[in-house]
Amino acid sequence: NAGVTQTPKFRILKIGQSMTLQCAQDMNHNYMYWYRQDPGMGLKLIYYSVGAGITDKGEVPNGYNVSRSTTEDFPLRLELAAPSQTSVYFCASSYMAGGTEAFFGQGTRLTVV
Amino acid sequence: KNQVEQSPQSLIILEGKNCTLQCNYTVSPFSNLRWYKQDTGRGPVSLTIMTFSENTKSNGRYTATLDADTKQSSLHITASQLSDSASYICVVSAEGSYDKVIFGPGTSLSVIP
Repeated sequence: NAGVTQTPKFRILKIGQSMTLQCAQDMNHNYMYWYRQDPGMGLKLIYYSVGAGITDKGEVPNGYNVSRSTTEDFPLRLELAAPSQTSVYFCASSYMAGGTEAFFGQGTRLTVV
Repeated sequence: KNQVEQSPQSLIILEGKNCTLQCNYTVSPFSNLRWYKQDTGRGPVSLTIMTFSENTKSNGRYTATLDADTKQSSLHITASQLSDSASYICVVSAEGSYDKVIFGPGTSLSVIP
């Protein structure tokens, strides 16, 4: 069982470039999340989705976009990358909302130079 | 403001010794508290979860406690092993919210031989 799969694992972007971080889960979870993790800080929620076709902003959505066309996939789009978006990005999914156990991908380490 | 604080920030212990990590929170209304373990370069993995009515929960050598009155939790690790070296993250969820899951900054634990 693959769980939550994120690609790529590492990426270096130049300022102003765009990219899409891919996330797929095979657990048939309705809820999916994107977080960023900065050194010494707790994970911050960027966007979340409660099901296919439904997405909503989290705590730090500026500079990002998401879509959820299927239950399995939840890509995160970065437009016009900025150095402030240098971070480690985690995708997660859960069967139910809120504090139910979330299953995380291995993360994408993004550097914007 | 919903916050989760953890102490110490980092800890080094000898293999075989015990240790206790602390978590203080101000999340309201409280739903549950979960401890995650995050190995270097990996996503967090859930260790334990506690609701308002529970004050102790064990998972092997890991024992979590919760004092909902003082809004404090601790994670006790017994007979530490080298594989316990990781970041331990306290996560508190508020009732009735899809996105009110607050992550603490984590405690980095290093177990040395």
